[in-house]
Amino acid sequence: EDQVTQSPEALRLQEGESSSLNCSYTVSGLRGLFWYRQDPGKGPEFLFTLYSAGEEKEKERLKATLTKKESFLHITAPKPEDSATYLCAVGNAGGTSYGKLTFGQGTILTVHP
Amino acid sequence: NAGVTQTPKFQVLKTGQSMTLQCAQDMNHNSMYWYRQDPGMGLRLIYYSASEGTTDKGEVPNGYNVSRLNKREFSLRLESAAPSQTSVYFCASSEHGGLAEAFFGQGTRLTVV
Repeated sequence: EDQVTQSPEALRLQEGESSSLNCSYTVSGLRGLFWYRQDPGKGPEFLFTLYSAGEEKEKERLKATLTKKESFLHITAPKPEDSATYLCAVGNAGGTSYGKLTFGQGTILTVHP
Repeated sequence: NAGVTQTPKFQVLKTGQSMTLQCAQDMNHNSMYWYRQDPGMGLRLIYYSASEGTTDKGEVPNGYNVSRLNKREFSLRLESAAPSQTSVYFCASSEHGGLAEAFFGQGTRLTVV
């Protein structure tokens, strides 16, 4: 069974204080690893897709990296508007689970001014 | 471009009542998903449809049924609602399940009393 575990559950940062969010995963055949941002009362919004170990993607203050067992979302010099829940998900390529998309429980990020 | 449209946005049901949540996408995507989101539990997969004509169970399928009516529409039915089904429900679609990013609807907030 596919499993995605995110840590920490909640993270409080001061504006400008860089940090990382972790996503550990177990999947029978990884198609892609996805990062999403979710604001209160809204649906998740896509950030990044990573497909193979060693791959990195960047967008403004966010950088996502991937290894064979985990992914990190690095936040550099965060601003209060980066406050949100960040969700990680894995897409399955294997057999009877083909196309399945499994999410972790999310990390709630709060950035204080 | 509407993307993924869910109806209704809010619903209150009495225990034992039935209802169908509707989801439609206009992006010609192959894969569609239904998730529920409860506090502290991220997104849990109820059912998914990797392609038109197929449906598969996710992590929490008990008490739900789905229908992939056509390529655009994927409905979720609660036959006999229970208070444990109080949640926020999200529908999502992806061009290629697990490989391409998923796009989410705005959610349906369901309360069962």
